[in-house]
Amino acid sequence: EVQLVQSGAEVKKPGESLKISCKGSGYSFTSYWIGWVRQMPGKGLEWMGIIYPGDSDTRYSPSFQGQVTISADKSISTAYLQWSSLKASDTAMYYCARLGRMWGNFDYWGQGTLVTVSS
Amino acid sequence: EIVLTQSPGTLSLSPGERATLSCRASQSVSSSYLAWYQQKPGQAPRLLIYGASSRATGIPDRFSGSGSGTDFTLTISRLEPEDFAVYYCQQYGSSAWTFGQGTKVEIK
Repeated sequence: EVQLVQSGAEVKKPGESLKISCKGSGYSFTSYWIGWVRQMPGKGLEWMGIIYPGDSDTRYSPSFQGQVTISADKSISTAYLQWSSLKASDTAMYYCARLGRMWGNFDYWGQGTLVTVSS
Repeated sequence: EIVLTQSPGTLSLSPGERATLSCRASQSVSSSYLAWYQQKPGQAPRLLIYGASSRATGIPDRFSGSGSGTDFTLTISRLEPEDFAVYYCQQYGSSAWTFGQGTKVEIK
C-alpha cells in the first residue's frame, strides 16, 4: 500500500528555521516525483515545488523560489521542505503528494503538516 | 503560468441532484494533464479524475470528467451525502502545476 507519512504539527516564532518531512513507503521512492502543496487557512491549494528523489532534480513554483528549499534523502525514502527564516504568512497546512507516472496528477497525498508561525 | 478559474464558487444543491462544476484555463491545456480532486474538511485532497475524463481507482461512476482545450467540466450525476466537499481542478504544463481556486458543493 502506497503511503506518505508527514511529520507532526509545528509551532514556531518568526525568524526561526524549520524542516518538515514526508516519508514514502509501499512503492519505489526513487522512481516518482514528490511535490509540496501549501494550503493557507480557509484557502485553496498552491503548488510549491517538486523533487525527483532518484537524482534530486528539483523544480520550484516562481511564487516559492528562494522562499523554501526542497530536498530528499533516498536512503530513508524521505522528502523535506524547509525554511531558513519563517514569517507569520507561512502559517498553513503543507501537503506532500506523489506525482503519478503519466498524467501530471498527484495520485497519493500525505496527511498534511500544520505549521503555525506566531510570536 | 496557466491560470485555472473555477465556477461557481459555491454550488448549493440537495442530495440526489446533479452537480456541474466548471474549470476554465487561461490558455489551452493538454487533456492528458487535467485532473480533479475532492477535499473534505480536515482531510487531504483525493484524486478523482485524471487525464480530464478517467476516474481514479475506487472513484464511483457518478463522477465524470469531460472537456478539452480551455474548458473542462466535472459532473456528479446524483449527489450523495458524502459528496458535499470542495473540488479543485489542476493542470500540468511546462514543468509547472497550477490549481483552480476551488468550488464548494454545499447542502441546500
